[in-house]
Amino acid sequence: ETGVTQTPRHLVMGMTNKKSLKCEQHLGHNAMYWYKQSAKKPLELMFVYNFKEQTENNSVPSRFSPECPNSSHLFLHLHTLQPEDSALYLCASSQDSGNPSYEQYFGPGTRLTVT
Amino acid sequence: GQNIDQPTEMTATEGAIVQINCTYQTSGFNGLFWYQQHAGEAPTFLSYNVLDGLEEKGRFSSFLSRSKGYSYLLLKELQMKDSASYLCAVMDSNYQLIWGAGTKLIIKP
Repeated sequence: ETGVTQTPRHLVMGMTNKKSLKCEQHLGHNAMYWYKQSAKKPLELMFVYNFKEQTENNSVPSRFSPECPNSSHLFLHLHTLQPEDSALYLCASSQDSGNPSYEQYFGPGTRLTVT
Repeated sequence: GQNIDQPTEMTATEGAIVQINCTYQTSGFNGLFWYQQHAGEAPTFLSYNVLDGLEEKGRFSSFLSRSKGYSYLLLKELQMKDSASYLCAVMDSNYQLIWGAGTKLIIKP
């Protein structure tokens, strides 16, 4: 247990569906992140929130929409996804995204399959 | 562009020592991280180096040479539970982590 939980753990959705991924951290951190992990590829940073403000959006397609209502919760809203979006989506948190000495704590991920 | 290189896969024997190398080219440098990821699980933090030299933490050590853009993770007295992927990541000048694709370490009895 890392103190970061994600639901659901597995999700299968069609290209016309709308679904949401949820992340919650119990560590009192101020920064939260969404990553995409595809097989044999580096982790891809998608979004960063620091003190509830979005600080990074790494050219992510608009079919992915993040939401951070407070420092403990992070959502990723999905709509009209493509099969190539199938991957493991990891949430992480850290004390502060602007301080390099703070390591990130990861959740177990949501395995997403788009059919 | 920014790039992190590490071997795709390595094999070692239980009880032995293994060194996993990582080379990087990034826009700025604010430290290098190593994470361990067991199959189907979350990555977990192993080490952080920001100054040159060796940091030792139990059976694991991490080395950094900023002038060479090079780091390694050294695992001693290997155990079967060390079978995992090891991820190297560098924090760039924008405080973003740039990740390598990971090294899958297979431990054989």
